[in-house]
Amino acid sequence: AQRVTQPEKLLSVFKGAPVELKCNYSYSGSPELFWYVQYSRQRLQLLLRHISRESIKGFTADLNKGETSFHLKKPFAQEEDSAMYYCAPFQGSPGSNSGYALNFGKGTSLLVTP
Amino acid sequence: EAGVAQSPRYKIIEKRQSVAFWCNPISGHATLYWYQQILGQGPKLLIQFQNNGVVDDSQLPKDRFSAERLKGVDSTLKIQPAKLEDSAVYLCASSPSGNEQFFGPGTRLTVL
Repeated sequence: AQRVTQPEKLLSVFKGAPVELKCNYSYSGSPELFWYVQYSRQRLQLLLRHISRESIKGFTADLNKGETSFHLKKPFAQEEDSAMYYCAPFQGSPGSNSGYALNFGKGTSLLVTP
Repeated sequence: EAGVAQSPRYKIIEKRQSVAFWCNPISGHATLYWYQQILGQGPKLLIQFQNNGVVDDSQLPKDRFSAERLKGVDSTLKIQPAKLEDSAVYLCASSPSGNEQFFGPGTRLTVL
């Protein structure tokens, strides 16, 4: 069965410390993977996707097909990074209307304290 | 550009009553999704539309939930009759291409 796991419900770090939010997936084929973020009182929004291989707000995420992981990392956490983070695989060809939607994990709440 | 609009933002009803939610996607986005997000969990897909056709409704409880997207633009999601376990945030999202999705603010439903 297709599954995505975010093992940490809550992650608390100090400002300036490195942060890693874990995501493991169990999918057949090669899903496209996303991280979505929801800041307090804001909408759920895309943070980054593995296919673009870019850094957004200092965050990066590397797809490890061997470990089937897509962990989100940032070397120096900031207070404004406090939010709910969701890992979400999407199985379908980019730009297609294959009918597959995002399969969200349960989310990790990141709290960055001063 | 204007984002995805949803209304109402909050709704409180008693069990066995009916309720409807409305979504207006970003102009030009062909794909529209409805998700249910129960407290403490990630969003779960209920139904996906491509223009005005249903692409995936495998997780929609069809005995009580229905959705339509007339003319391939706005969409409504209805629950009739509501149960206590339907208390959740209902999110609408739209996408131009089927992968990156843009979310609305959600409708928080409380069933008493």
